[in-house]
Amino acid sequence: NAGVMQNPRHLVRRRGQEARLRCSPMKGHSHVYWYRQLPEEGLKFMVYLQKENIIDESGMPKERFSAEFPKEGPSILRIQQVVRGDSAAYFCASSPTGNNSPLHFGNGTRLTVT
Amino acid sequence: SQQGEEDPQALSIQEGENATMNCSYKTSINNLQWYRQNSGRGLVHLILIRSNEREKHSGRLRVTLDTSKKSSSLLITASRAADTASYFCATTTMDSNYQLIWGAGTKLIIKP
Repeated sequence: NAGVMQNPRHLVRRRGQEARLRCSPMKGHSHVYWYRQLPEEGLKFMVYLQKENIIDESGMPKERFSAEFPKEGPSILRIQQVVRGDSAAYFCASSPTGNNSPLHFGNGTRLTVT
Repeated sequence: SQQGEEDPQALSIQEGENATMNCSYKTSINNLQWYRQNSGRGLVHLILIRSNEREKHSGRLRVTLDTSKKSSSLLITASRAADTASYFCATTTMDSNYQLIWGAGTKLIIKP
């Protein structure tokens, strides 16, 4: 059973470009979470999605950031007009249910904005 | 705001010794989870302990929970070089059964 797959593993963008991060959850998991991590720090919650629905986007900046989890295909975290402060590791996690269940993480996408 | 806070921030011990990491939190919880993160990788779930449990074991791992002190500890016995990683605690609270709130982690180094 394949784990959570994220791609790309590394992404370099110039300021002002768009970054698209993809996440395929574990088979059978319909709950997806996106987190951001800066070096030597813990995870910061960004957004929680179920298939076709955003449940909680309270951790995601209202401008430039968006997320989706369509009926078919991976979840996408999209950052428009990237700035240097967007440089971080972005992790996706999935779970079979949203209730207190352990999360399964991908290996992250490391975004570098030059 | 930060819910979980681990201490120490960093811990370096000899292979074979036991490693203890602590986590404190502020508000009432549903459960507390410990995760491991190897350098450059995603997090791996280790143990989940519910608020009505006091101790759980998994192999060389032992987790305790003291809700009166709002704290938890993770003990790794007979440490190995492969245990070198960062360890994070995360809690779900009564307000939200899905949103995990994370500490900044303990960086554990096992010297061979």
